[in-house]
Amino acid sequence: EIVLTQSPGTLSLSPGERATLSCRASQSVSSQLAWYQRKPGQAPRVFIYGASNRASGIPDRFSGSGSGTDFTLTITRLEPEDFAVYYCQQYGSSPYTFGQGTNLEIK
Amino acid sequence: QVQLQGSGPGLVKPSETLSLTCTVSGASMTNFYWAWIRQPPGKRLEWIGSIYYSGSTYYNPSLESRVTISVDTSKNLFDLKLTSVTAADTAVYYCARGLRFFHYWDKGNLVAVSS
Repeated sequence: EIVLTQSPGTLSLSPGERATLSCRASQSVSSQLAWYQRKPGQAPRVFIYGASNRASGIPDRFSGSGSGTDFTLTITRLEPEDFAVYYCQQYGSSPYTFGQGTNLEIK
Repeated sequence: QVQLQGSGPGLVKPSETLSLTCTVSGASMTNFYWAWIRQPPGKRLEWIGSIYYSGSTYYNPSLESRVTISVDTSKNLFDLKLTSVTAADTAVYYCARGLRFFHYWDKGNLVAVSS
């Protein structure tokens, strides 16, 4: 089973700043990686799939990069609605697994 | 817009079967995969399994011996059954659309296993 490790666990930033979230896989997943956002009381939402493809309706301030074992989700200018928990998920190998999450909080 | 809503008992006794239903609205189930995912308190999200609208299933090996996912496209719903539950099966259970990654999710339902 592939283990995903996200860092940092918590990221404290202010609106307008740039956020960089990392996800590292215990073995290569090629580009088979997705990023999700989850807010309290809401359904999780896919933001990025295929490591770098934005899902429908996702603003272009969100971008994903990486391949193999190292991946990054970048938010160029944080908006108030961006503060949430972000999860990465690999689907290169079954069972499909998730990272432990990064809590992006307002500083 | 695709909407999913999971439903079922919020409390299940140990050794019994957990049963949940996910109702799909706003889109046909045809040609899509549908999935169950859970998150125990303080733990990671865990993919339970996925089903194609035609009935083909794909399960997480760690749960495969206890899990059954079924689909009823005439009613626009799919089900999860998890047998012989223990406290370790206490979790928020999500239904979603997808086989390997998941475009649409419901808000999740907390199911506690307790006597």
